[in-house]
Amino acid sequence: DTEVTQTPKHLVMGMTNKKSLKCEQHMGHRAMYWYKQKAKKPPELMFVYSYEKLSINESVPSRFSPECPNSSLLNLHLHALQPEDSALYLCASSHKTSGTYEQYFGPGTRLTVT
Amino acid sequence: AQSVSQHNHHVILSEAASLELGCNYSYGGTVNLFWYVQYPGQHLQLLLKYFSGDPLVKGIKGFEAEFIKSKFSFNLRKPSVQWSDTAEYFCAVNVSGGSYIPTFGRGTSLIVHP
Repeated sequence: DTEVTQTPKHLVMGMTNKKSLKCEQHMGHRAMYWYKQKAKKPPELMFVYSYEKLSINESVPSRFSPECPNSSLLNLHLHALQPEDSALYLCASSHKTSGTYEQYFGPGTRLTVT
Repeated sequence: AQSVSQHNHHVILSEAASLELGCNYSYGGTVNLFWYVQYPGQHLQLLLKYFSGDPLVKGIKGFEAEFIKSKFSFNLRKPSVQWSDTAEYFCAVNVSGGSYIPTFGRGTSLIVHP
């Protein structure tokens, strides 16, 4: 199984809502990532978890809160978002955070903030 | 830090034409190289990767890429494109033994007319 799954596929939320994005992989990968992608742009790294610990936070606003409950799951909690946060949110995983390993990407959650 | 340049931002071809997308990186050490494809409305998929060995790498769907170390390049090629190759193509680089986070190029939008 070389699949990264993400739910929901689409999400529309108001600026006062609280919602969560979920990502799951069962490849035994110990590194998981959140990216934000705008249309026709490359993915922008947001967070990296390594062995369930947050190792990189790319100066992401606190209205985005990541969580890694276990080695297979990665959540992104959203609160008080702005319309400019509308984007495709991608989860990825890799075997480890070092060495010659490629990332596997999930299908993404398309988020619209109204 | 490494950087990646994709000089062709938009490419328009007719079916059966040959394709070459440029990717250059700036880093003097050992690198790992990737090409990802993103079909309209879909997630990032790995087309091919280079870690070491034969610099000519074969990927999925008839794509190949050649690593030319002296030119810091990893150009993507396909001898005969199809309408279904219409997509965004991203080159990515990470440093072998160093930062495991890949740096993405800005992407090339390929449109293939039937």
